[in-house]
Amino acid sequence: EVQVLESGGDLVQPGRSLRLSCATSGIRFEDYEMSWVRQAPGRGLEWVGLIRTKGHGGSADYAASVKGRFIISRDDSKSVAFLEVISLTPEDTAVYFCSGRPAAVHYDIFAVWGRGTTVTVS
Amino acid sequence: DIQMTQSPSVMSASVGDTLNITCRASQGVYNYLAWFQQKPGKAPKRLIYTASGLHPGVPSRFSGRGFGTDFTLTITSLQAEDLGIYYCLQHHQLPYSFGQGTKLEI
Repeated sequence: EVQVLESGGDLVQPGRSLRLSCATSGIRFEDYEMSWVRQAPGRGLEWVGLIRTKGHGGSADYAASVKGRFIISRDDSKSVAFLEVISLTPEDTAVYFCSGRPAAVHYDIFAVWGRGTTVTVS
Repeated sequence: DIQMTQSPSVMSASVGDTLNITCRASQGVYNYLAWFQQKPGKAPKRLIYTASGLHPGVPSRFSGRGFGTDFTLTITSLQAEDLGIYYCLQHHQLPYSFGQGTKLEI
């Protein structure tokens, strides 16, 4: 069974940084492109960014709204993806989800999600 | 960037109804379009992939169609547990983008 578990959310002051984790099991993590998606209170889903597999260069791409402040990384040996959020603002308050897709199967997007982790900036 | 526009934003329906939710892309996304259902306080769940593929375990009363810029999610024989917010997602081009959501009230 595929499982995804986000962690690391917290109540933090504006300007501080935070690192979120996304632990997975049941998949060949190294073959998965991993994305982060966030949802501010009472708002819709917002794609934040992704990190490619090492085989596809291992680079990351970000939404314009977070570029320069968010850094996505991965540790294939531990099947974990990370989202580092720098210089947090109240507008970053949200539940942060991670999901992904097999890099070789473009259509199989976001089949499994974690329950999310809550970041509150205040 | 590709903008995804859903309609309606809110809809009310009754058990047994058939309803359609539409999603329009600002430019063509081929069939790289997925639909998700989200219930309050829960993570989204995928319903449809590649515009019309039914995610395993999703009831057959859910169906999707479309290609290019116009897509539709259809729910037939609506059940009470279908309440929630429905989102479309394009993943043809970065940045990926979701529609603003359609809230379904039963």
